[in-house]
Amino acid sequence: QVQLVQSGAEVQKPGSSVKVSCKASGGTFRNYGISWVRQAPGQGLEWMAGTTPIFGTTNYAQKFQGRVTITADESTSTAYMELSSLRYEDTAVYYCARVLMVNFWYFDVWGRGTLVTVSS
Amino acid sequence: EILLTQSPGTLSLSPGERVTLSCRASQSVSSNYLAWYQQKPGQAPRLLVHGASRRATGIPDRFSGSGSGTDFTLTISRLEPEDFAVYYCQQYGSSVTFGGGTKVEIK
Repeated sequence: QVQLVQSGAEVQKPGSSVKVSCKASGGTFRNYGISWVRQAPGQGLEWMAGTTPIFGTTNYAQKFQGRVTITADESTSTAYMELSSLRYEDTAVYYCARVLMVNFWYFDVWGRGTLVTVSS
Repeated sequence: EILLTQSPGTLSLSPGERVTLSCRASQSVSSNYLAWYQQKPGQAPRLLVHGASRRATGIPDRFSGSGSGTDFTLTISRLEPEDFAVYYCQQYGSSVTFGGGTKVEIK
């Protein structure tokens, strides 16, 4: 049973960066993809980006291109999402989610989420 | 970018009732690559259906998905108390986008 364990809550200042981790246990990390989805307080879900280690590819939503970086460390089965130039409206819960079959980007396992608060 | 519009925004229903949730796409969803998720307060979303009509592992058969092209539906045949939640559709035929969600609340 695959589980995704995310890093703890963060408080960051506007203009700074935040890096959230997502460690997978169970399964073969290389064989599936990891996506990042965020949810602002009281709002819906918003896909940001995803990576497929087996292909070495990363895809970004146009809105986040240039501001988000997704990486994966196969040796530790950990994926990372770094968001730069933080704004107040980036305050949200950030989820990592598994893409079971790399050509079909629906998400069958989710982390519990990491709350990122942008505050001066 | 494919925009997904979910309707209605909120449904007020009683346990035992049948529910039909709508998800309409701004353009045809390739190969019906459409998923549905359930989210309860303070929890991560849970996958219910993928490929428009394929129930995910462990999902009760009272949940069913249907539709093709631009119009998709999630049906809950008989509402159980644990089904009161927010439901989201998501397309993965062209990049990834989510609908705005439908809240199913207790009447």
